[in-house]
Amino acid sequence: DTGVSQDPRHKITKRGQNVTFRCDPISEHNRLYWYRQTLGQGPEFLTYFQNEAQLEKSRLLSDRFSAERPKGSFSTLEIQRTEQGDSAMYLCASSPTTGRAEQFFGPGTRLTVL
Amino acid sequence: GESVGLHLPTLSVQEGDNSIINCAYSNSASDYFIWYKQESGKGPQFIIDIRSNMDKRQGQRVTVLLNKTVKHLSLQIAATQPGDSAVYFCAENIQGGSEKLVFGKGTKLTVNP
Repeated sequence: DTGVSQDPRHKITKRGQNVTFRCDPISEHNRLYWYRQTLGQGPEFLTYFQNEAQLEKSRLLSDRFSAERPKGSFSTLEIQRTEQGDSAMYLCASSPTTGRAEQFFGPGTRLTVL
Repeated sequence: GESVGLHLPTLSVQEGDNSIINCAYSNSASDYFIWYKQESGKGPQFIIDIRSNMDKRQGQRVTVLLNKTVKHLSLQIAATQPGDSAVYFCAENIQGGSEKLVFGKGTKLTVNP
């Protein structure tokens, strides 16, 4: 499968715990994005990487959230001290720098904070 | 600020009919638009895109129309099939500006057999 992959697909955690999600983009794509989607809403942008550089962050990305892409390939999104309001689908997308501009999305990680 | 909205939250059609899903956007600087389809429990799937220098683009059974004068975007699905049942989102972007896509709330399309 050459699409965007995300792991885990589902995560249930207790409030206050830390969680980490992984995204593997399409291999030739050097742009990587994280979005959050709550029930009944469209995805909301969180952050964007070009290669290993984090170039843009939304104000939605509080200081409890951190994203990395250390080698310019896979990325991780960590949420510290989770809150019930963090429950959402976390989507990763990737796109190439040149040519087609659409962002290709992974299946998402569904987070439930109890 | 930037926003993308949809006129109808739900749309129900009969199998074989044509479907039209509408989207209004407010940022006149947006110059790239994408329609995504999202099935339950899955990530958004690219359907078709259009740049602001075009007013119509066709794909397989789908057509996107862009009216920049009234900042309106529509997705037409021909001969709608049960497999088309999903939530459809339009998203906007400014090429060369922020890389983020701004999504609307979505329209849920239900295709009745």
